[in-house]
Amino acid sequence: GAGVSQSPSNKVTEKGKDVELRCDPISGHTALYWYRQSLGQGLEFLIYFQGNSAPDKSGLPSDRFSAERTGGSVSTLTIQRTQQEDSAVYLCASSSPEGTVNTGELFFGEGSRLTVL
Amino acid sequence: AQSVAQPEDQVNVAEGNPLTVKCTYSVSGNPYLFWYVQYPNRGLQFLLKYITGDNLVKGSYGFEAEFNKSQTSFHLKKPSALVSDSALYFCAVRDRGSATNKLIFGTGTLLAVQP
Repeated sequence: GAGVSQSPSNKVTEKGKDVELRCDPISGHTALYWYRQSLGQGLEFLIYFQGNSAPDKSGLPSDRFSAERTGGSVSTLTIQRTQQEDSAVYLCASSSPEGTVNTGELFFGEGSRLTVL
Repeated sequence: AQSVAQPEDQVNVAEGNPLTVKCTYSVSGNPYLFWYVQYPNRGLQFLLKYITGDNLVKGSYGFEAEFNKSQTSFHLKKPSALVSDSALYFCAVRDRGSATNKLIFGTGTLLAVQP
């Protein structure tokens, strides 16, 4: 597609339920990132994919959070047994393959707003 | 470890006046530096980046930023602010020697331009 697409744009769930957030990156972008944006917290890095592998998952806050990427394209972020502190906007970004001219500029989707009641 | 500091939660400026949004960074190696802007209920949009070369970088919408290695700063500037510039601005850094390619973002600065 023309840009990074995320779904759903809004999700309201009850505490304890599982949620899945989807990201469809720009075609041909091999790198994919998940960030979390909370009020007053800025952007918090969660996980980075290069192709289908995740060389950096250091930002996942707990084992309730997981992510996968298939076919070098779509990624899914799963939050199990959601808690109220998980409420945030989850942003996905992608970037083009590394090379001598690629300097890591990220292209962001509009985010998935998660509200846990 | 990489980090970015944006010391001002909010910057207020009158339309037509110059604006500055401050950013300082910390990396172990040489940095790539970025500014992004976020309008309400939207994702982040790239404004400009410093990679190498001229310390003064020009970007979208008339914004520019100056890389100062000795002060480890990358302040965002614009000579004449517009009301439409009102938004949330994020500074980000990437260590070009890092094995992972993630950007580390600051906490953001809300720019409010009054008519």
